[in-house]
Amino acid sequence: GAGVSQSPRYKVAKRGQDVALRCDPISGHVSLFWYQQALGQGPEFLTYFQNEAQLDKSGLPSDRFFAERPEGSVSTLKIQRTQQEDSAVYLCASSLVGLAGSNFGPGTRLTVT
Amino acid sequence: QKEVEQNSGPLSVPEGAIASLNCTYSDRGSQSFFWYRQYSGKSPELIMSIYSNGDKEDGRFTAQLNKASQYVSLLIRDSQPSDSATYLCAVNRNNNDMRFGAGTRLTVKP
Repeated sequence: GAGVSQSPRYKVAKRGQDVALRCDPISGHVSLFWYQQALGQGPEFLTYFQNEAQLDKSGLPSDRFFAERPEGSVSTLKIQRTQQEDSAVYLCASSLVGLAGSNFGPGTRLTVT
Repeated sequence: QKEVEQNSGPLSVPEGAIASLNCTYSDRGSQSFFWYRQYSGKSPELIMSIYSNGDKEDGRFTAQLNKASQYVSLLIRDSQPSDSATYLCAVNRNNNDMRFGAGTRLTVKP
């Protein structure tokens, strides 16, 4: 079946613009995770959903970052007033409950100019 | 101290040799441990998971866990050029929260 998909694959934003990144998890996967991966670094945890409930948002770096999963399937990560330090690859992963992070999407590469 | 530490490398081994990748973690309550392979420009791909002390073998890959030393390693036997990638160690503190190391870049030379 289809894996985790993300869109757009690439996004260039001018500093101060708002962006929205989409994640379509594997059908039936209850858990959904967002990670931020800067160049040369490992993925950094941002937030976690179980169905529509956001159970952990401790990794969101500032209140400019917001994530939602209103119907327990597709998730959107929104970044307001983008800054250059937001430039990174944003990875989404989904899994059956209890198997964290085993299926990653291709990522969205965000470049803030 | 970072929660998950890896030698960033690069680690270079000749084709056919054993590549040894190491990882230490700080949280003694960590429950499960993973190795991911990440090719340049691609997303991480799970290659091994280990949950209890000792060795776990899967083909050319062996994961080793020592919870007392807070140490996990990955051995790749008969290394191939196609194994050249960044290897990420990840530690699961609970079902919801996985922390990654910065990765070790491995190059296998023909």
